[in-house]
Amino acid sequence: EDQVTQSPEALRLQEGESSSLNCSYTVSGLRGLFWYRQDPGKGPEFLFTLYSAGEEKEKERLKATLTKKESFLHITAPKPEDSATYLCAVQAAGGSARQLTFGSGTQLTVLP
Amino acid sequence: EADIYQTPRYLVIGTGKKITLECSQTMGHDKMYWYQQDPGMELHLIHYSYGVNSTEKGDLSSESTVSRIRTEHFPLTLESARPSHTSQYLCASSKENSYEQYFGPGTRLTVT
Repeated sequence: EDQVTQSPEALRLQEGESSSLNCSYTVSGLRGLFWYRQDPGKGPEFLFTLYSAGEEKEKERLKATLTKKESFLHITAPKPEDSATYLCAVQAAGGSARQLTFGSGTQLTVLP
Repeated sequence: EADIYQTPRYLVIGTGKKITLECSQTMGHDKMYWYQQDPGMELHLIHYSYGVNSTEKGDLSSESTVSRIRTEHFPLTLESARPSHTSQYLCASSKENSYEQYFGPGTRLTVT
């Protein structure tokens, strides 16, 4: 069974304090790993797709990396507007090709 | 920004009522999805569609039904709402050969 575990569940940072969010996964063949940002009361907003170990993607203060067992979302010098829940999801290459398996997210709060 | 719309955004309704949650996308995407998300929890797939006249149930058991008569429209219906249906319902879509899903803003349903 495909599984995604995100840690920590919640993270509070001071503005400018860099950190990383972790997404550990177990799938029967990875087709893709996805990062989303979700603001309260809204739908998830797509951030990145990673397909193979060693791949990296960047967008403003965010950088996503991928290994064979986990992905990291690095946040450099965060600002209060980066506060949100960050979701990780995986797409398996096997029988669950129709859907994504989501983690429960990391709730990030950046204090001014 | 993804062009996917959900109405209503918020709905409070009494037990036993029939309701339809609307979802429309203007991107021409073939694949559409319905997810259920409780606060602080993972997204769970309840229905998906690969195209017109194609609908399947997801892994999370749901008493709702869906239809896909037009590419852009994927409504979800509850014939008789119950308090256990209280949740956030998220609609998403993706291109035929992509697993990147784009989400609508969600419908927050409360059944009293």
